[in-house]
Amino acid sequence: GNSVTQMEGPVTLSEEAFLTINCTYTATGYPSLFWYVQYPGEGLQLLLKATKADDKGSNKGFEATYRKETTSFHLEKGSVLVSDSAVYFCALINSNSGYALNFGKGTSLLVTP
Amino acid sequence: DTAVSQTPKYLVTQMGNDKSIKCEQNLGHDTMYWYKQDSKKFLKIMFSYNNKELIINETVPNRFSPKSPDKAHLNLHINSLELGDSAVYFCASSQRTGSGYTFGSGTRLTVV
Repeated sequence: GNSVTQMEGPVTLSEEAFLTINCTYTATGYPSLFWYVQYPGEGLQLLLKATKADDKGSNKGFEATYRKETTSFHLEKGSVLVSDSAVYFCALINSNSGYALNFGKGTSLLVTP
Repeated sequence: DTAVSQTPKYLVTQMGNDKSIKCEQNLGHDTMYWYKQDSKKFLKIMFSYNNKELIINETVPNRFSPKSPDKAHLNLHINSLELGDSAVYFCASSQRTGSGYTFGSGTRLTVV
């Protein structure tokens, strides 16, 4: 079956630091990959996505590249802001899951001034 | 106009009660989902419906019963609520192949 593994948090960074949150997956075929963000007390927002190998998703300074050879979709940002403090979820869908999202356990990010 | 709307946003109830959460989408999607987010923030699919037909039914107690009167609505009814049902429940919708995934803002259920 499908599974998504993310690095454990919490991750604490100073403002302007470089961010990497690792995500690897197990799935058959060619899943679509996503990063979602959940700000404190809020719902889920799609941050970025990639639907095929070597695609790069990007949004709000965040980037992730679909690497089929390493089954990874690591999230990066060059310079984080205090307002980036949130929980980040890596997820995938494919036909095996009936197109339901399979989520990783989430990584909590705290950015300090 | 909210694309996927859930009501209520907060629900506090006593053990043993029966409650419902409603979800409506105005995106013209033909597939709707219920996800549960537990206290550790872990998100897991519970059910999905496509054009009113049950597609996914994960290992969920049969006290939980989804109902889809039409493809724009998917309600979740919970009987005999237990403390362990306390969680945030998210409704979502998409096209059949998962494109256009959109989440509601969530319903925080607290069972006391």
